[in-house]
Amino acid sequence: GAGVSQSPRYKVTKRGQDVTLRCDPISSHATLYWYQQALGQGPEFLTYFNYEAQPDKSGLPSDRFSAERPEGSISTLTIQRTEQRDSAMYRCASSFQVQETQYFGPGTRLLVL
Amino acid sequence: GQQVMQIPQYQHVQEGEDFTTYCNSSTTLSNIQWYKQRPGGHPVFLIQLVKSGEVKKQKRLTFQFGEAKKNSSLHITATQTTDVGTYFCADPYGGSQGNLIFGKGTKLSVKP
Repeated sequence: GAGVSQSPRYKVTKRGQDVTLRCDPISSHATLYWYQQALGQGPEFLTYFNYEAQPDKSGLPSDRFSAERPEGSISTLTIQRTEQRDSAMYRCASSFQVQETQYFGPGTRLLVL
Repeated sequence: GQQVMQIPQYQHVQEGEDFTTYCNSSTTLSNIQWYKQRPGGHPVFLIQLVKSGEVKKQKRLTFQFGEAKKNSSLHITATQTTDVGTYFCADPYGGSQGNLIFGKGTKLSVKP
């Protein structure tokens, strides 16, 4: 597509529920990153994919967070048993290759009540 | 871990005034990138600096990379209301996998 898209744009959920966020990167881009951005802060790295491989999960805050990119294109980020501290903007970015310019999507704002 | 510190956190200026944000690292940076995030928007890549002492201009924006490659600045001349947003510096090699290490950003507001 023309740019990175994410859905949903907003998600309100109750504590304890699972949520799944979706990212559709630029079609020619091999690399996809997930970031978490708290209000008034810069984005912080969660995990990344190179095609379908996920070499680094080190930024995921806990084992409640997981991500997939099974066919090397669309990716999902799942948060199980959500907690209020998970409330944040979740941003996806893609790049043609690792360490090339990253293009960010509009983000999903998650609110856990 | 690797961090980039950015100051000031906020800057309020009158339209037409100049604005500068500074980014500092405790370690030598390979490159540095700058992003702009409009209110309600997402980070948008502005520029990457690579060489020691490099200066690049984009219209009213001037980007500098320090001689020691430990600091960088973004200067906007004669701000306009369209400059409103948060400006982030980011280290593209601070993470082990090409992930960006962002500063906390400087939020610029411009009073018309």
